[in-house]
Amino acid sequence: ETGVTQTPRHLVMGMTNKKSLKCEQHLGHNAMYWYKQSAKKPLELMFVYSLEERVENNSVPSRFSPECPNSSHLFLHLHTLQPEDSALYLCASSQGTSGPLQYFGPGTRLTVT
Amino acid sequence: GNSVTQMEGPVTLSEEAFLTINCTYTATGYPSLFWYVQYPGEGLQLLLKATKADDKGSNKGFEATYRKETTSFHLEKGSVQVSDSAVYFCALRGNNRLAFGKGNQVVVIP
Repeated sequence: ETGVTQTPRHLVMGMTNKKSLKCEQHLGHNAMYWYKQSAKKPLELMFVYSLEERVENNSVPSRFSPECPNSSHLFLHLHTLQPEDSALYLCASSQGTSGPLQYFGPGTRLTVT
Repeated sequence: GNSVTQMEGPVTLSEEAFLTINCTYTATGYPSLFWYVQYPGEGLQLLLKATKADDKGSNKGFEATYRKETTSFHLEKGSVQVSDSAVYFCALRGNNRLAFGKGNQVVVIP
């Protein structure tokens, strides 16, 4: 399998649930990202990991908790979410963090009920 | 800070029509500019880029010219196809960070 994969593709969860989103990249990249895509809003960068260390956290609420166990995998752990957290969550990877080209996964469509 | 503004609302047009999607930016220094495309059910893909003023990026019949004097990077295609239906995002890279616009849904009708 090539590129950036994300699972699950769709997720419905209640506000008291705990779930995790998974991202895997097969490109040999050393940087990974989480973005939030909401309707009628610009793409929002949430977290950046470079060489498995978090290098950026853009004021994301603590109910979102990222984890990067190695350079190929990235998780986003979710707990006590709010309905306004419903969105498409996109994972991306790149070689280094200064280049323009990020490869995106297909996203996880999250609905919080 | 750096930001990108795209025209409001979806764009619906007939096959073989001319497509323009406006993009303007605000940035310090000399950013690089990009257009990304997101096809249904997929992630974003880089469509084209321009790294300095007056550069023209092109790919798959799409073009955009980096206009520093008007801080714009409008996307154009002379004759769209149904397969061009997607969401298009304008983006810039400045200070080693990518900033995206809101995106425009393009629907091409046969």
